[in-house]
Amino acid sequence: DTEVTQTPKHLVMGMTNKKSLKCEQHMGHRAMYWYKQKAKKPPELMFVYSYEKLSINESVPSRFSPECPNSSLLNLHLHALQPEDSALYLCASSQTNGGTDTQYFGPGTRLTVL
Amino acid sequence: AQSVTQLGSHVSVSEGALVLLRCNYSSSVPPYLFWYVQYPNQGLQLLLKYTSAATLVKGINGFEAEFKKSETSFHLTKPSAHMSDAAEYFCAVSDLTQGGSEKLVFGKGTKLTVNP
Repeated sequence: DTEVTQTPKHLVMGMTNKKSLKCEQHMGHRAMYWYKQKAKKPPELMFVYSYEKLSINESVPSRFSPECPNSSLLNLHLHALQPEDSALYLCASSQTNGGTDTQYFGPGTRLTVL
Repeated sequence: AQSVTQLGSHVSVSEGALVLLRCNYSSSVPPYLFWYVQYPNQGLQLLLKYTSAATLVKGINGFEAEFKKSETSFHLTKPSAHMSDAAEYFCAVSDLTQGGSEKLVFGKGTKLTVNP
């Protein structure tokens, strides 16, 4: 099973709301990633967790707060977002954070900020 | 920092024709290279990857890519296009950060259209 699941599929939120995106994998992978993808653009890395520890934060604004409660779960907490944060948020996982490891992507959460 | 450049943001081919999507990398050391495909409103799926084992890499759905060090290229090909190949294709390279972690750096993508 090479599946990464993400919930919800779609999310509409106001600028004052607090919401969370959830990502789950059961492949025994120890690295998990959050990407942001704007329309007609490539994915941009936001965060990397390796063995449940944050290893990369690509200077993401603090209104995005990642959390890795265990090796199978990855959350992205959202607070006071801006309309320009509207995008497809992709989660991925890989065996480890090694250079040759394949990243498996979830279907994404389409976020709209009003 | 490592990077990849995809030549051609749009490629259009007829069904049954050769597919050629271009990717050039910039790296001073042998890179790890990947091709991913993204269908509309979906996540990314790995087509194939180069990890220095063999220069000709075969992937899923009949795609293959050849690593050419002399040309710093990793072009993606498929002998005969199918309508279902219409999608966005991303070339990516693995880059080591200052903190010692690996991250994927994507090219800008090439949208493939297949005409009947």
